Amino acid sequence: GEDVEQSLFLSVREGDSSVINCTYTDSSSTYLYWYKQEPGAGLQLLTYIFSNMDMKQDQRLTVLLNKKDKHLSLRIADTQTGDSAIYFCAVQGDDKIIFGKGTRLHILP
Amino acid sequence: DGGITQSPKYLFRKEGQNVTLSCEQNLNHDAMYWYRQDPGQGLRLIYYSQIVNDFQKGDIAEGYSVSREKKESFPLTVTSAQKNPTAFYLCASSPGISSPLHFGNGTRLTVT
Repeated sequence: GEDVEQSLFLSVREGDSSVINCTYTDSSSTYLYWYKQEPGAGLQLLTYIFSNMDMKQDQRLTVLLNKKDKHLSLRIADTQTGDSAIYFCAVQGDDKIIFGKGTRLHILP
Repeated sequence: DGGITQSPKYLFRKEGQNVTLSCEQNLNHDAMYWYRQDPGQGLRLIYYSQIVNDFQKGDIAEGYSVSREKKESFPLTVTSAQKNPTAFYLCASSPGISSPLHFGNGTRLTVT
């Protein structure tokens, strides 16, 4: 079945860039999403990219999509303490959205 | 403001009791979903509904039941048949089945 993989942890120094990676198996995915979850809260849609795009930039966020390698990444520029959260990669399947297990981003002072 | 409301935020029950989690949305979305989140396991789909009076099982439906009598409401019942009910439960909605999901703030259920 469809699968979405991402590393579980990432530590980054405040002010540096964070890059969170994701790989997926479903080549027919139309939309690919990044969600953010803060402690004790639900998921917040951060950004998304359509499958016919290679890159999307939105302020400090840059999404890169490599369809050939089925690889999606989220870059957060100038990482701040408020960026500390779990980041979920998700891909649109035929009838549902498939989520990765989430990457916990830890900010070092 | 439009959004999804889950209540209560924390819920405690004794083993063997059924419990119902509430989810209400005023976004006029057709589709609604229930996910379960356990540490290190990501989100797992329990049930989803694309339209009123219709719903489908997700990946882990055993021990759960739902109803969709109104567009705005999609309550989830955790029955005594669910072996490991303690978890964080997230409700979501979307305009359609191929649209981004909007999430509520979750209900943390603890069964002892």
